[in-house]
Amino acid sequence: QKEVEQDPGPLSVPEGAIVSLNCTYSNSAFQYFMWYRQYSRKGPELLMYTYSSGNKEDGRFTAQVDKSSKYISLFIRDSQPSDSATYLCAMSGFVNRGSTLGRLYFGRGTQLTVWP
Amino acid sequence: NAGVTQTPKFRVLKTGQSMTLLCAQDMNHEYMYWYRQDPGMGLRLIHYSVGEGTTAKGEVPDGYNVSRLKKQNFLLGLESAAPSQTSVYFCASSYWSSGAQETQYFGPGTRLLVL
Repeated sequence: QKEVEQDPGPLSVPEGAIVSLNCTYSNSAFQYFMWYRQYSRKGPELLMYTYSSGNKEDGRFTAQVDKSSKYISLFIRDSQPSDSATYLCAMSGFVNRGSTLGRLYFGRGTQLTVWP
Repeated sequence: NAGVTQTPKFRVLKTGQSMTLLCAQDMNHEYMYWYRQDPGMGLRLIHYSVGEGTTAKGEVPDGYNVSRLKKQNFLLGLESAAPSQTSVYFCASSYWSSGAQETQYFGPGTRLLVL
């Protein structure tokens, strides 16, 4: 079993729809949760970063973390064609400086298309 | 700042040839990473470094070697390329802060085709 599971999709929605992207994980030591966005033929870039459980909102994007269920979500409101990309969840635990445990665990990514 | 840069952007190799991919970052980051990305497989960690002169194996290290002689550079070597190493390779860097690894910044990728 992979540390992080993410449905690869693809997901196709009309402009203006609410999009829900999800990941589950198995390691209860994870405390830091991230969503990266990757446009076609580009490197991933950080979209949202949350610590422990709870919600975080940034414009049309909301990240939710439920540590009790080991489940994280990314919601996109009023989706736009420019949101078409692959979304990757990533997570890590607390590490000491210089520890070789200092790495991120990524999901496989969900490919999203928002059509006009 | 240029951020994270990768050289070359694209390369075609024949089976058995060797090559080195170069990653450079100008953000004074401690951590550097090499990933490969294949369709349906997501990002898979090859090797990473938590500081100058220190490297560690990731999920798929076989067939690759790395070196971090300078803090700003991280080299990925393929000694004898195989078609299974056809992929897009991404380098990333990050820094450590208060027990957490902060944002990873990714380079633009290197597309490698092994014939």
